Amino acid sequence: GNSVTQMEGPVTLSEEAFLTINCTYTATGYPSLFWYVQYPGEGLQLLLKATKADDKGSNKGFEATYRKETTSFHLEKGSVQVSDSAVYFCALITNRDDKIIFGKGTRLHILP
Amino acid sequence: DAGVIQSPRHEVTEMGQEVTLRCKPISGHNSLFWYRQTMMRGLELLIYFNNNVPIDDSGMPEDRFSAKMPNASFSTLKIQPSEPRDSAVYFCASSLKGWDTDTQYFGPGTRLTVL
Repeated sequence: GNSVTQMEGPVTLSEEAFLTINCTYTATGYPSLFWYVQYPGEGLQLLLKATKADDKGSNKGFEATYRKETTSFHLEKGSVQVSDSAVYFCALITNRDDKIIFGKGTRLHILP
Repeated sequence: DAGVIQSPRHEVTEMGQEVTLRCKPISGHNSLFWYRQTMMRGLELLIYFNNNVPIDDSGMPEDRFSAKMPNASFSTLKIQPSEPRDSAVYFCASSLKGWDTDTQYFGPGTRLTVL
């Protein structure tokens, strides 16, 4: 079945450090890939997405590239801020149904 | 747009009581999803509706859980009777149907505590 695997957290970094959160997937067909972010006490929000191979999604300084050959969609940011502290979820949706499959989430702590 | 609206934001109840969670999706969205989030299990999809019809309820944990969507602007998730292990944050989300508009918009969640 379809699945998403992302690195376990928590990830703790200092402000201005480079961030990578790994995400790999298993899916039939050609899924769309997403990163959602959940700030403390809030629901999930879409951060970025990519709908086909080699697409790069970007938003708020975050980027992720849809790599079909490695079935990956790693999240990166060149210089993190304290305000980026949140839980990040990698997810996919296939063209077979409407169900989004979420990874377990990676908690990110940024220290000032 | 007000976004997805959920009520109540917090609910504390005693074991055995009935609990009803409410959701108003974004106007015009065709699909509605109920999720449960816990530290142990992460985010779990419980059920989703398309055009008010339940499409997949395989994530509903047991018969104590039921969900309805009587119209396009309202849905409920009911737990009867509630148990302490039901304590979690319950999220409702909605989306437009269609592969180019597949982003889900989440509500703020209802934090349920069953004593």
